Parts: sequence; C-alpha cells; structure tokens
Amino acid sequence: QITLKESGPTLVKPTQTLTLTCSFSGFSLSTTGVGVGWIRQPPGKALEWLALFYWNDDKRYSPSLESRLTVTKDTSRNQVVLTMTNMDPVDTATYYCAHRRPHTIFGALYFDYWGQGTLVTVSS
Amino acid sequence: QSALTQPASVSGSPGQSITISCTGTSSDVGGYKYVSWYQQHPDKAPRLMIYDVSNRPSGVSNRFSGSKSGNTASLTISALQAEDEADYYCSSYTSITTLRYVFGTGTKVTVL
Repeated sequence: QITLKESGPTLVKPTQTLTLTCSFSGFSLSTTGVGVGWIRQPPGKALEWLALFYWNDDKRYSPSLESRLTVTKDTSRNQVVLTMTNMDPVDTATYYCAHRRPHTIFGALYFDYWGQGTLVTVSS
Repeated sequence: QSALTQPASVSGSPGQSITISCTGTSSDVGGYKYVSWYQQHPDKAPRLMIYDVSNRPSGVSNRFSGSKSGNTASLTISALQAEDEADYYCSSYTSITTLRYVFGTGTKVTVL
C-alpha cells in the first residue's frame, strides 16, 4: 500500500525559506521508473507542478520557479524534501507530494498516489 | 510555460454525457501521447483518472474516457452521476525547453 504525507511549517514569513518533507511508504525511490513529485494549489486556483525527483536521481523543476526550488532525497528515511527560497504571499497554497506511476519514459509523468496536502500560508 | 486551456465550467444532468476540452500546442498536447486527467473533489487530493491520453488506471469507472485530436485533448464522462461533480484538470508533458510538466486551468463539472 502506497502512502505519502507532507510535513512542514504552516506559516512562513515573506523572504523566508520553506522546507517541506514528503514521507512515503509502500515503494522504493530506487525502483526503476519511480519518482516523487511536488505540486501546489493556491486557494481556489488550479494545480501547479513544481518539481520531480526521479529514481535515477534526476531532478526537474518548473521553469518559472527553478531558481528558487531544490528537491533532495533521504533514502534511509524514505523522504523527499522540497526547499523553496524567498517565499512571498503569492506562494500561499496547499502543497502536495505525489508518487509517479512507474514509467521508463521521463515524459510520461502521472501521479497515481497523493499525500493529503499541507496548507502553507506566507504572511508577516 | 503556459497552462493548458480548459473551459471554466461544464454542466449536465444525471445520465447525460459531457466532454471537457484541454487545448495546448504542438509542444505539449499535440506533440505527445503523455496526456492525463485528474479529478478533484473539494478539499481532497486529486485522483488520476486517465493517462497516456486514453488509458484508465485500475479502479476508475469505464464511464470516463479520454481522446486527443491535434492540440486538443478531451475527457468524456458518460452516464453522469452526482458523484462526478468535481474539478477536473488535464496535464501534459511539454518540450518547450526541456522535460517539463504542465497542468490545465481546471474545469468545474456541475451535475444539475
């Protein structure tokens, strides 16, 4: 059974750095084709893809946010960590991590299991 | 990277069929078969409904079907049910720069 859960601060101040952790179980990030992605959704707005960590340690980022994002993994703890610098009120959103449906083609990016999401508010 | 364009809302009566469009470009929807659809109920995480344009994951009702023509993908929900009322998002691989992933603007489906 695959599960994922996001954790981190619910409130951050403008210009601060956000660190979110995705703790997962039921799969290995070393398995060919697997990945863990980050997606966010501002209140009442659409989904936005942020980043993906692939099984082979390849990482991809949204072009509009690439300079602010870093994604890393902690294999021993079954965790993937997202860091976003220079937070702004427009970054207020529910942040989700999700399991990539295994596929060897990088472009076949489908999220078949999702965490419950965590709401992050950016305010002074 | 621009979001894929979807109608803001689509509605239908129980038992009817509805279709949601998702318009992109030749660099995303039109150029590849890596299109998917997600269903999201209020305050819930999205659920994968369609992948590879027209494939359904295990457990998804066969009332949901996907297709693509040119730069536009479509999700059809047949025999509409009250539980289908939700937001729907398309998504696609995009090769505008390097490997990227883009979601649609989202469509609110209302069951009348």
